[in-house]
This record gives sequence, structure tokens and C-alpha cells, in this order.
Amino acid sequence: EAGVAQSPRYKIIEKRQSVAFWCNPISGHATLYWYQQILGQGPKLLIQFQNNGVVDDSQLPKDRFSAERLKGVDSTLKIQPAKLEDSAVYLCASSLMRTDNYEQYFGPGTRLTVT
Amino acid sequence: LAKTTQPISMDSYEGQEVNITCSHNNIATNDYITWYQQFPSQGPRFIIQGYKTKVTNEVASLFIPADRKSSTLSLPRVSLSDTAVYYCLVGEGNQGGKLIFGQGTELSVKP
Repeated sequence: EAGVAQSPRYKIIEKRQSVAFWCNPISGHATLYWYQQILGQGPKLLIQFQNNGVVDDSQLPKDRFSAERLKGVDSTLKIQPAKLEDSAVYLCASSLMRTDNYEQYFGPGTRLTVT
Repeated sequence: LAKTTQPISMDSYEGQEVNITCSHNNIATNDYITWYQQFPSQGPRFIIQGYKTKVTNEVASLFIPADRKSSTLSLPRVSLSDTAVYYCLVGEGNQGGKLIFGQGTELSVKP
């Protein structure tokens, strides 16, 4: 079974530029998550999708971050304009829609460096 | 959502059993306890999940006392490859719920 795919793996941009990350979840997984992980910290949930609807985006900085999951499969996370503090690893995860299982499958992440 | 507290770091030697304890005093009735493992430059990986008593799989055991205010992840006979960060999480489930990762416990296994 293929895992969660993310691209690119690495990205370096200057502040005020824009950047987009792509995620392809495991086939059949209705729930998709985007996390931000700053060096030395645990992942922080940015947004959670159930199929193509947003379940939780309370920690998404909506003035600069946006995300979409068209057709309930692939997802894109965008930052525009980027700030220095956005330097982090952006992780995508997916899971089945179950109430008794917390197993989220994570992709390898995209390491973003903002200079 | 219940907050979790766990040691920031632990050291061990190959072949030893490692027990990492997590406290979650405000755990709710519907909450499950889940542990994840993260290696450098990789996304977290699910290890084990439990609601009460003891759960065991091929990788680890999870001990949960009756009051559920804490839990202990037990890794039998660790090897160098078990060096990683271990996260304890409490959450309500995938359907509308979310998981909050704390800082985790950085386990260092030495030869």
C-alpha cells in the first residue's frame, strides 16, 4: 500500500514570496491533516479536512495560509506571503474516518526555509 | 482537549526495557490515549493506542491505570534504532476530533 506522498521535499524561498505544498493521501482515507512542525517542537495541526470539507482550521493563520482539498483527494497548502517564522517542516497526514482509531499516517514532510 | 505531560528526555542502553510515563489529568470519558514515534527527518508513526488497562502489540505495551490520569509506554529490549522522539497524545477520535502533540520525550539509546 502506497503511503502519503508529499512534494516538494525541500523548498527555500525569500520572505514575502509565495510557496505551495502538495499532498496525496492514502487511497480511501477520508480525513486529511496539515501540520506545521518547528524545529524542536511537536507537530501543530493547521487544518483538518473530512473529504473536501474543512473540519478544523482554528490554528491556520488565514491571513497568509490557505488550503484546499478539491474532489476530496489531493490537497494543497499555500503560504502567501511567507515570513521568516514560517520556516518549518510541513507534514501531511491522512486517516480513515473512524471514532475508535487514532492512527494517522504521515508523509515525509516538506522542509521550508524562509530567508 | 486534555493536555499531556511527559519527560523531555530519557537515556537508556541497548537491551533494556524503557518505560515512558505520561500524565493526562484532565482526560475525558471519550478520550483514547495514543503514542507516536518520530525519527529525524520523518513524519510521526503510530505505535499504540489504548482506552484502559493494558494493550500490547508487536512493538510496545501500553499500561493505563483505572483512573486513566496517566499512561506508561513500555518498550521491551530497546535497540539503537529505537532512538527517537515519543509523543503521548489524548484525543477524541478521527471523526471531528483532533490530536495535540506536545514536546514529546527524546529517547536516546546507547550501546
